[in-house]
Amino acid sequence: EDQVTQSPEALRLQEGESSSLNCSYTVSGLRGLFWYRQDPGKGPEFLFTLYSAGEEKEKERLKATLTKKESFLHITAPKPEDSATYLCAVRGGGSNYKLTFGKGTLLTVNP
Amino acid sequence: DTGVSQDPRHKITKRGQNVTFRCDPISEHNRLYWYRQTLGQGPEFLTYFQNEAQLEKSRLLSDRFSAERPKGSFSTLEIQRTEQGDSAMYLCASSSSGTARRGEAFFGQGTRLTVV
Repeated sequence: EDQVTQSPEALRLQEGESSSLNCSYTVSGLRGLFWYRQDPGKGPEFLFTLYSAGEEKEKERLKATLTKKESFLHITAPKPEDSATYLCAVRGGGSNYKLTFGKGTLLTVNP
Repeated sequence: DTGVSQDPRHKITKRGQNVTFRCDPISEHNRLYWYRQTLGQGPEFLTYFQNEAQLEKSRLLSDRFSAERPKGSFSTLEIQRTEQGDSAMYLCASSSSGTARRGEAFFGQGTRLTVV
C-alpha cells in the first residue's frame, strides 16, 4: 500500500526566511509525485508533478525536487500570502488514477 | 467560472438522513474523482469515473455510499443513512486524459458535511 509522510506537521516562518518541507514516500512503481496547496475551507490547488529522481520544478518562490525516497518543497523568501497547507501525494503502480495524500504541512509566514 | 463546481458548499443533516452532493467538472474533462477529507488529514480517494464508467472504488466507499455520472457529465455522490463519522469535506476533482499523467487534477471547493 502506498504511504506518504510529510514533515514537519506545522512550520512557522518570518517573511523572507527560506525553508523546506519534506515528503517521504513508499510506493510500488512511482507514476508521479504531486504537490498541492490548500487554503482553509478550499479545495487543493495543483502546484507541481515530478516523475523521476533528480527532477526539479519551479514556480515563483517554490521549488520542488525528487529523490527515490522523498521530495522537498523549497520555499525561498516566503511572503505572508504563501501561508497555507501544502499537500504531497503519490500515484503508484497499483492505480493509474488514485492519488495517496500525506497529512500536509501547515505553513504560516508572519510579516 | 470554468473550474470544478460543487453544490452545496455546506450541508448539515441529522443522523440517519440521506444526502446527495453534486459535482460539475471542467467541461472538457472526461475523468472525475471523489475524495473525502477530515480535519488535519489529507484527502482520501473514494471513487473514479472515466466518462460515465465507474472504474475504481475505494474500500472506504461502504454500501451506504453510491456515486453516479450519467452521460459522463456531472456526478452525484449519495450517502444513505448518514452517521456522525461521515462528517467531512467531500471533494470532487476532474482531469482530462491528456493531463491525467501529469496529475493535474483540478479540485472543486468541496462540500462540507456535518452530521448531527
